[in-house]
Amino acid sequence: QVQLVQSGAEVKKPGASVKVSCKASGYTFTSYDINWVRQATGQGLEWMGWMNPNSGNTGYAQKFQGRVTMTRNTSISTAYMELSSLRSEDTAVYYCARRSPYGMDVWGQGTTVTVSS
Amino acid sequence: DVVMTQSPLSLPVTLGQPASISCRSSQTLVYSDGNTYLFWFHQRPGQSPRRLIYTVSNRDSGVPDRFSGSGSDTDFTLRISRVEAEDVGVYYCMQTTHWPYTFGQGTKVEIK
Repeated sequence: QVQLVQSGAEVKKPGASVKVSCKASGYTFTSYDINWVRQATGQGLEWMGWMNPNSGNTGYAQKFQGRVTMTRNTSISTAYMELSSLRSEDTAVYYCARRSPYGMDVWGQGTTVTVSS
Repeated sequence: DVVMTQSPLSLPVTLGQPASISCRSSQTLVYSDGNTYLFWFHQRPGQSPRRLIYTVSNRDSGVPDRFSGSGSDTDFTLRISRVEAEDVGVYYCMQTTHWPYTFGQGTKVEIK
């Protein structure tokens, strides 16, 4: 079945970087964009950006421009989201989601990133 | 950015009774291709969001027919005809017509 499996929880210090992976299976990885969404504890959903796994093209929300990088490795059907210069406000669950022509239809299980000194 | 405003933010409901959530956008969500990219998601505690409705009114596979979406332009509604216990959680609307994509604040549905 179609699924996205994300990497495990991370604990980082302020100023560090984190790289979250999202492995796709059950479909052709290069046929659908991957989007990233985050959710701080007890808060709503916040869209971060997208990546086209075929071309590698990306688009980031302005809030994250300069700090986020979305990449992929097509040989292992895996997308990555790296966030740098971490601060406490970046503590959140990070989700990857497949974007079909009609929106985000498949989501990963989420990766908890905790930023703490 | 397009602001998505949901109401109410908290919705206590009685089992078997209907429920309705409103989502209003600060700009029209009709895209140049004629489609309206408005979606509804449901998130249970500790789980990932699950898409229920795409392009305003189309139910995803496996979504019970007690869920329906309607609306146009800037005004949208998610309805549950008869609330069941498994429907508790937070419901989000989202638009992908305009850059950047944006979500509503979420509506928490709980059983009275």
